[in-house]
Amino acid sequence: GQNIDQPTEMTATEGAIVQINCTYQTSGFNGLFWYQQHAGEAPTFLSYNVLDGLEEKGRFSSFLSRSKGYSYLLLKELQMKDSASYLCAVNTDKLIFGTGTRLQVFP
Amino acid sequence: DARVTQTPRHKVTEMGQEVTMRCQPILGHNTVFWYRQTMMQGLELLAYFRNRAPLDDSGMPKDRFSAEMPDATLATLKIQPSEPRDSAVYFCASGPQGFEIYGYTFGSGTRLTVV
Repeated sequence: GQNIDQPTEMTATEGAIVQINCTYQTSGFNGLFWYQQHAGEAPTFLSYNVLDGLEEKGRFSSFLSRSKGYSYLLLKELQMKDSASYLCAVNTDKLIFGTGTRLQVFP
Repeated sequence: DARVTQTPRHKVTEMGQEVTMRCQPILGHNTVFWYRQTMMQGLELLAYFRNRAPLDDSGMPKDRFSAEMPDATLATLKIQPSEPRDSAVYFCASGPQGFEIYGYTFGSGTRLTVV
């Protein structure tokens, strides 16, 4: 079976750092995506991890541990515009999404 | 910027009617996904194609849903007959296999309401 878990909701303060976790159990694994989705809009690509370790892209970083079936997305220097849902997706050749984490950033 | 184009953006239809949603993937992208998104279920994979061949449609209710790629520039998702429980946002996404580092690109979606 395929199982991808993320927290449903998180809150944080502007300027802070937040870590969104994702655990997965899938039959097959080629890599893991993170997407951002603002309300009423389409998901947009943030990152793709294939190998273990941390990938940094500006304020956003993504970490993967294949042996633990675990990833996280780290958002630094939070801004109000970061309020959105963050979706973790596993590439098993097809793309399987978790249910997403809704992040609310408060002033 | 290259984009995935979905039509229509919004569709309201009566129960029992046929609905056709269209997707134009980005030129050169050989993998196309269809997803349905609801508040309760998140993004559910309905079907996907590679080089126009259907690889997996196990997520689709087979009795009423069908997905096709008549050519490389068009993917379609049909529902016949439609039911109120089909109300959702349907997304198409495309990408080039082997270049996932650049991500799969989503269209703007078709918001379907069945009354």
